[in-house]
Amino acid sequence: QKEVEQNSGPLSVPEGAIASLNCTYSDRGSQSFFWYRQYSGKSPELIMSIYSNGDKEDGRFTAQLNKASQYVSLLIRDSQPSDSATYLCAVKGPNNDMRFGAGTRLTVKP
Amino acid sequence: SAVISQKPSRDICQRGTSLTIQCQVDSQVTMMFWYRQQPGQSLTLIATANQGSEATYESGFVIDKFPISRPNLTFSTLTVSNMSPEDSSIYLCSVCPILAGDTDTQYFGPGTRLTVL
Repeated sequence: QKEVEQNSGPLSVPEGAIASLNCTYSDRGSQSFFWYRQYSGKSPELIMSIYSNGDKEDGRFTAQLNKASQYVSLLIRDSQPSDSATYLCAVKGPNNDMRFGAGTRLTVKP
Repeated sequence: SAVISQKPSRDICQRGTSLTIQCQVDSQVTMMFWYRQQPGQSLTLIATANQGSEATYESGFVIDKFPISRPNLTFSTLTVSNMSPEDSSIYLCSVCPILAGDTDTQYFGPGTRLTVL
């Protein structure tokens, strides 16, 4: 079992719709979770971090965490073509390193 | 967040040679890491660069192939030794800045795109 699993996609949504990205992780002791966005040819940039169960909102982005289910998600409201990118779920490991999922490629169609 | 620079941004190298990649941060950081991202793949951690001591390598990566230095809290180097075409990849430096309430988050440098012929 991979440490961090994501649906590889590709995920395609129309402009203005909600994009839902999902991630599961294997280490029940994990405490810190992150979503990164990576445009083609660029390095990953942080979107959000989440540490507690529940929802965390930042603008059009909402991260959701359920530690009992070992599940993290990212919702993007009012999706824009500029949101088209690969979204990486990351879980902090015991040595402060990050474990990344394979990424979900999102396309927002005008 | 910290401003991170990497040199070179890209390079094309011959098989059997070595390349040293530099990572410079504009402020002191607690942790520095080196990742590899092969074409179409996600990020794989190579090692944690420890200030003043030997780096901690992940399974599958060894010091002879990827020697790492970290002489201070703002600078690290990764060398890719005796390169083969399989080493063609993007190499990324990441850091955890010393910021109140944000010591968990990692920020990435712009990456070094390496092509080995």
